[in-house]
Amino acid sequence: ELKVEQNPLFLSMQEGKNYTIYCNYSTTSDRLYWYRQDPGKSLESLFVLLSNGAVKQEGRLMASLDTKARLSTLHITAAVHDLSATYFCAVDRVGTASKLTFGTGTRLQVTL
Amino acid sequence: GAGVSQSPRYKVAKRGQDVALRCDPISGHVSLFWYQQALGQGPEFLTYFQNEAQLDKSGLPSDRFFAERPEGSVSTLKIQRTQQEDSAVYLCASSPSHPRLTNEKLFFGSGTQLSVL
Repeated sequence: ELKVEQNPLFLSMQEGKNYTIYCNYSTTSDRLYWYRQDPGKSLESLFVLLSNGAVKQEGRLMASLDTKARLSTLHITAAVHDLSATYFCAVDRVGTASKLTFGTGTRLQVTL
Repeated sequence: GAGVSQSPRYKVAKRGQDVALRCDPISGHVSLFWYQQALGQGPEFLTYFQNEAQLDKSGLPSDRFFAERPEGSVSTLKIQRTQQEDSAVYLCASSPSHPRLTNEKLFFGSGTQLSVL
């Protein structure tokens, strides 16, 4: 059974600080996704990482993938209050056509 | 519309009642997914349609859950004889074709929050 674990589950950080969210998964996968969810809102796609060593950046967020370690990271640089949300990673299992398995999410709170 | 639309936004049901949740995907989107998100958890896959064909329903938790997409656009998720454990947010997502084959994103709706009393 594919398991996806994120840590930390909750993160409170001050504006201007850097931090990293970790996503570990249990079985082989070649595709990893990061989503953002604001309370009561849709999931918004942030990144799709398709291969080992992939790195993508958008604004203050940077995501990377190490398929050998089965690990992805979401790095936040100089956090701002607008980044407060819940962040999910999800893995698309090799051999399945459609299912995403999501982590439990990391609730990020950026304080002024 | 501009995005994936789901209705109702909130639904309160008495235990044992049947409910129907609607999803309007983005116009022209071929793929449609249903996910269930329990409070404080990540979404869990329920079922997947490609046009009107239901290609994967392995995530449906019991035979009380039924989904259809008869004309390849709007989809309905029906839950019969609701139980308290069915309380969750039900999310619908669509994509222009098959996301795994084309690296396309999934576009999620805001969900229907179901509370079973």
